[in-house]
Amino acid sequence: QQQVKQSPQSLIVQKGGISIINCAYENTAFDYFPWYQQFPGKGPALLIAIRPDVSEKKEGRFTISFNKSAKQFSLHIMDSQPGDSATYFCAASFRGQNFVFGPGTRLSVLP
Amino acid sequence: ETGVTQSPTHLIKTRGQQVTLRCSSQSGHNTVSWYQQALGQGPQFIFQYYREEENGRGNFPPRFSGLQFPNYSSELNVNALELDDSALYLCASSLAGGYTDTQYFGPGTRLTVL
Repeated sequence: QQQVKQSPQSLIVQKGGISIINCAYENTAFDYFPWYQQFPGKGPALLIAIRPDVSEKKEGRFTISFNKSAKQFSLHIMDSQPGDSATYFCAASFRGQNFVFGPGTRLSVLP
Repeated sequence: ETGVTQSPTHLIKTRGQQVTLRCSSQSGHNTVSWYQQALGQGPQFIFQYYREEENGRGNFPPRFSGLQFPNYSSELNVNALELDDSALYLCASSLAGGYTDTQYFGPGTRLTVL
């Protein structure tokens, strides 16, 4: 019940395209859903986050879509750039504790 | 504003030894969480400290222990190291009681157990 599933495992997108990563959770008590970006040899960096009372949140080229009834949320990266090539993790937590991370998606944006 | 820092950057130990990893939280943050990230996997929650008390623990054995100091910095101690303990250990700080639950990660300590 604590698991967060993430797909796809890897993704290749052309420059300027849209990258879409999906996550699903089981624990309905989760109340905070962040996305992190991680480059090799670095710690994860927060990209964008959402709470379940909102269905969509947009920050620049990054958008989270949240479907509470389906217990799913997704990250959309518009106008993908080679600099976006990294591993992306979705996560979920309850009251800021015990963050559960997905297994990650390795994104490659081709120039 | 100072970000999260961790030391050392890399560490090599042999099986059975003990190791201590250190973390300085971001300025103004009172909560520190530790994660283990094996190669090619997502971070796994080890435990969280808030005001020097353990405030939640993941599925890790007791040989993983920690401390938080009055300045909110923290240590992760691992006893009786096993080969499977080889991983990137991440520290994240946050402000409990704030509007967001945002965690800010440090660069990690790469532990290799031989």
